[in-house]
Amino acid sequence: EAQVTQNPRYLITVTGKKLTVTCSQNMNHEYMSWYRQDPGLGLRQIYYSMNVEVTDKGDVPEGYKVSRKEKRNFPLILESPSPNQTSLYFCASSLTRLPPTEAFFGQGTRLTVV
Amino acid sequence: GIQVEQSPPDLILQEGANSTLRCNFSDSVNNLQWFHQNPWGQLINLFYIPSGTKQNGRLSATTVATERYSLLYISSSQTTDSGVYFCAVAEYPTTDSWGKLQFGAGTQVVVTP
Repeated sequence: EAQVTQNPRYLITVTGKKLTVTCSQNMNHEYMSWYRQDPGLGLRQIYYSMNVEVTDKGDVPEGYKVSRKEKRNFPLILESPSPNQTSLYFCASSLTRLPPTEAFFGQGTRLTVV
Repeated sequence: GIQVEQSPPDLILQEGANSTLRCNFSDSVNNLQWFHQNPWGQLINLFYIPSGTKQNGRLSATTVATERYSLLYISSSQTTDSGVYFCAVAEYPTTDSWGKLQFGAGTQVVVTP
């Protein structure tokens, strides 16, 4: 089944403790990106990647890192999480640059930083 | 950037009712998607519909790109249709960027038994 898989689904952590949210897609998609969703602010792009070893900042990259060492994986790294990074995170992928291809989203990761 | 506006912001339906959700966008686009975010937070692809009309069961969507709007129809609504419906369009901040999805604020739908 074609899908984007994120792990973990839920995570509670403490301020400053490094964490990684994994994202994997099995559709051989070139383009992957991370979004965060916050009440009143909607979904905002954090980082995106056009292919292996090619990444760039989205609208809200501060406090996040990404890497794309393999085509299928695009982990999101929070090296020193803070409470303002409490959010619902989504990984997305699409075959190529948008358009004309549609984006597929992972199940979401609900992160709480205390 | 592209502005995406959805209406209505909230909708309460009796089970079995029909409804129409609207998405307006401020610039010409060639990529529009509809998503359903269920009560567990998952974003489910409903339609990829840059133009024309598509149907999937009780749901259908129409995009008129030249007039910059898209409509999502829900017929014979069921309680499982509850959640937030988002439309999103592709936006390119610079000519050589790889694009992002600009989401509307969503329509919160509650279907009561």
